[in-house]
Amino acid sequence: AQSVTQPDIHITVSEGASLELRCNYSYGATPYLFWYVQSPGQGLQLLLKYFSGDTLVQGIKGFEAEFKRSQSSFNLRKPSVHWSDAAEYFCAVVSRNNNDMRFGAGTRLTVKP
Amino acid sequence: DAGITQSPRHKVTETGTPVTLRCHQTENHRYMYWYRQDPGHGLRLIHYSYGVKDTDKGEVSDGYSVSRSKTEDFLLTLESATSSQTSVYFCAISSWVGRDNEQFFGPGTRLTVL
Repeated sequence: AQSVTQPDIHITVSEGASLELRCNYSYGATPYLFWYVQSPGQGLQLLLKYFSGDTLVQGIKGFEAEFKRSQSSFNLRKPSVHWSDAAEYFCAVVSRNNNDMRFGAGTRLTVKP
Repeated sequence: DAGITQSPRHKVTETGTPVTLRCHQTENHRYMYWYRQDPGHGLRLIHYSYGVKDTDKGEVSDGYSVSRSKTEDFLLTLESATSSQTSVYFCAISSWVGRDNEQFFGPGTRLTVL
């Protein structure tokens, strides 16, 4: 069955520290991959997306993600976290065969001063 | 920000009553979606529309119906609300499918069913 897994429900990092949020997927073929961010009480905002080509994708707000086919992963990274990055982050995938976007359960990021 | 509004933004209702949520877009995008967001589940697709009067079911469609009589409006109806439908509902839009399927999300509607 198709699935998206974010293994970490909650992560706390210190401001200025590096960040990596994990995302694994289980699909028959490589899907399209996305990371969204949701601030409290807000809708979702797209950070970055991967369709094909270069496996390291740059997004907004200094985020990047690396697609690793062998590990079925699409982890989100940021070298230095800012307090304003505190939010919930969702990995999402869309099959190349249909329009069905599936989301992971989300990872809530807390940033310590 | 994409021009997407949802109404109402908050609603409290009682079990057994009908509820309709509205999503309105000003982007003229072809595709519109309704999701629900629950802790531990992320967002789950309820229904989506690929054109006026063209809709299809998503992952969690039971207990919900939708209608799209105009490009700009997508309505989600709970015929007889239940407590399990207490959730935050998000509308999303996209202009395409597949490769360029970036979805833009509305601000959400918080629904409480007592």
